Amino acid sequence: DIQLTQSPSFLSASVGDRVTITCRASQGISSYLAWYQQKPGKAPKLLIYAASTLQSGVPSRFSGSGSGTEFTLTISSLQPEDFATYYCQQLNSYPLYTFGQGTKLEIK
Amino acid sequence: QVQLVQSGAEVKKPGASVKVSCKASGYTFTSYGISWVRQAPGQGLEWMGWISAYNGNTNYAQKLQGRVTMTTDTSTSTAYMELRSLRSDDTAVYYCAREYYRAPLDYWGQGTLVTVSS
Repeated sequence: DIQLTQSPSFLSASVGDRVTITCRASQGISSYLAWYQQKPGKAPKLLIYAASTLQSGVPSRFSGSGSGTEFTLTISSLQPEDFATYYCQQLNSYPLYTFGQGTKLEIK
Repeated sequence: QVQLVQSGAEVKKPGASVKVSCKASGYTFTSYGISWVRQAPGQGLEWMGWISAYNGNTNYAQKLQGRVTMTTDTSTSTAYMELRSLRSDDTAVYYCAREYYRAPLDYWGQGTLVTVSS
């Protein structure tokens, strides 16, 4: 099975900061990677798919990059509503999808 | 608009079974699959498995093999996830989500809390 490792697991930042979250795959997954945002008590929300394609309606301060085994999610200027937990998911080994362990983004 | 509406919270005793439903609307049900994802309290997302609403093909996470069954009823556009021999560590919020071949989970249900407690 393909394993995904996110780093860091916890991130403390301030409004206006630029932050980057990394997701590493245990084997190559081309660009079959998605990023989700989850707020407490809510279902995850799709942010980015195909490693770098922004889902409709998602603010442009979110961006994704990478291919193969290393991927990043960047938020260019943190807004108060961005404090949440972020997950990556690989879509290469259909239909055996897996998630990263999550990165909790907290207000400093 | 696409919607996935799940059944309500459940409380079960260890060893019992639970069946969660997920009613889809706003799209052609048989053109997509449904993935099930669960989240234990304070933990991350765990992919449980997938069912094709087109032909009923399934694929389950290895750790749940033998305890989980996913089905669909195309006449009502509803997917079901049944988990048997419940244990306390099955306590979690269970989500259904729409999926397509190598595409992300773009629409999610609201989640169903299943509590396993004696």
